[in-house]
Amino acid sequence: QVQLQESGPGLVKPSQTLSLTCTVSGGSISSGGYYWSWIRQHPGKGLEWIGYIYYSGSTYYNPSLKSRVTISVDTSKNQFSLKLSSVTAADTAVYYCVRTSSAHFDYWGQGTLVTVSS
Amino acid sequence: DIQMTQSPSSLSASVGDRVTITCQASQDISNYLNWYQQKPGKAPKLLIYDASNLETGVPSRFSGSGSGTDFTFTISSLQPEDIATYYCQQYDNLPDFTFGPGTKVDIK
Repeated sequence: QVQLQESGPGLVKPSQTLSLTCTVSGGSISSGGYYWSWIRQHPGKGLEWIGYIYYSGSTYYNPSLKSRVTISVDTSKNQFSLKLSSVTAADTAVYYCVRTSSAHFDYWGQGTLVTVSS
Repeated sequence: DIQMTQSPSSLSASVGDRVTITCQASQDISNYLNWYQQKPGKAPKLLIYDASNLETGVPSRFSGSGSGTDFTFTISSLQPEDIATYYCQQYDNLPDFTFGPGTKVDIK
């Protein structure tokens, strides 16, 4: 059973960079066949896909966030990471790491709340 | 960009009722639509993929149908554990993924 777990600071100051890591267990990122996504959910709101990465390092980002987002992968640690720069209060959200299988999101982490505040 | 709408935004129904949620895309997306269930405080869970395929382990009271721009999600007999918000999600033009705004389902 694949499991994903987000980790990282729960509080980030405005203008700084949000950094999160997702650790995958029960399956290897480098086995291929899946993309690894980040999705966020603003408090009480809907879901927004941020971007994803393949084990090879190929990335695709939501155009609305592309200028501020970097997703990277470390296959030796079976982890992938999210960096979102120049954050504002509008980036306060629950961030999920998610396995993407043939364009559907089949395994989700539990989510981590990141608050942007001074 | 493809926009997704859902109706209703919320509903209350009795245990055993048939519940229907609709999802509409702003352009033809063939059958490139998935449905998710999100219980309070939890991550979403995939229920239906490719408009009508039931994900492994999901109870058969859940079903989906539709193609093009109009889609339907149905719970044939509402159970107390089905209290959740349900989202549709399109993937017509990969990697452009967008979700609907959600439909909150409560027990009357």
